[in-house]
Amino acid sequence: GENVEQHPSTLSVQEGDSAVIKCTYSDSASNYFPWYKQELGKRPQLIIDIRSNVGEKKDQRIAVTLNKTAKHFSLHITETQPEDSAVYFCAASMSDQAGTALIFGKGTTLSVSS
Amino acid sequence: DTAVSQTPKYLVTQMGNDKSIKCEQNLGHDTMYWYKQDSKKFLKIMFSYNNKELIINETVPNRFSPKSPDKAHLNLHINSLELGDSAVYFCASEVYNEQFFGPGTRLTVL
Repeated sequence: GENVEQHPSTLSVQEGDSAVIKCTYSDSASNYFPWYKQELGKRPQLIIDIRSNVGEKKDQRIAVTLNKTAKHFSLHITETQPEDSAVYFCAASMSDQAGTALIFGKGTTLSVSS
Repeated sequence: DTAVSQTPKYLVTQMGNDKSIKCEQNLGHDTMYWYKQDSKKFLKIMFSYNNKELIINETVPNRFSPKSPDKAHLNLHINSLELGDSAVYFCASEVYNEQFFGPGTRLTVL
């Protein structure tokens, strides 16, 4: 089955710096790669996603890149702010089949200090 | 109005008891899930349902039994609770692969 590795497990940056979180996946059939943000005590919320027919996607300060050949994808956050502090999860799934679950990485705790 | 709701939000109970967690979504989605998040924050799939039909049943003890009375509801019943069942349980519903999570139920087994 699919296995998703995520690094680093913790990341501390200064406000205004960029943050990069990397994930690798094992199943070449996976074709949907979302990123979730989970604030303390809250539910995971989708912040950006990418499908395997696209190499990069941006939404304001966040961007995701995908390298299908190498089977890795990354989250980039620019101009970080204290409210970006949270746990970030990458995930992978096969989008073609109904009910196919997301396989999550183990999460990255991002701390942005002002 | 809440898209995916769960009740209760907190559940504290003794070992050996039986308990249920309810999940409802008002998004009209066909697919719903249960995930378990342990103390290390690891999110793991437990079950998925599509149109009330069980699709995924991961290696979860058979003390856990999901029930979907209709497409909008997916409940989780747990028998003979054990200490290791303590976790946050999230329900989610899905459309076009995007999953919407409920607020979670924090289960503490004493």
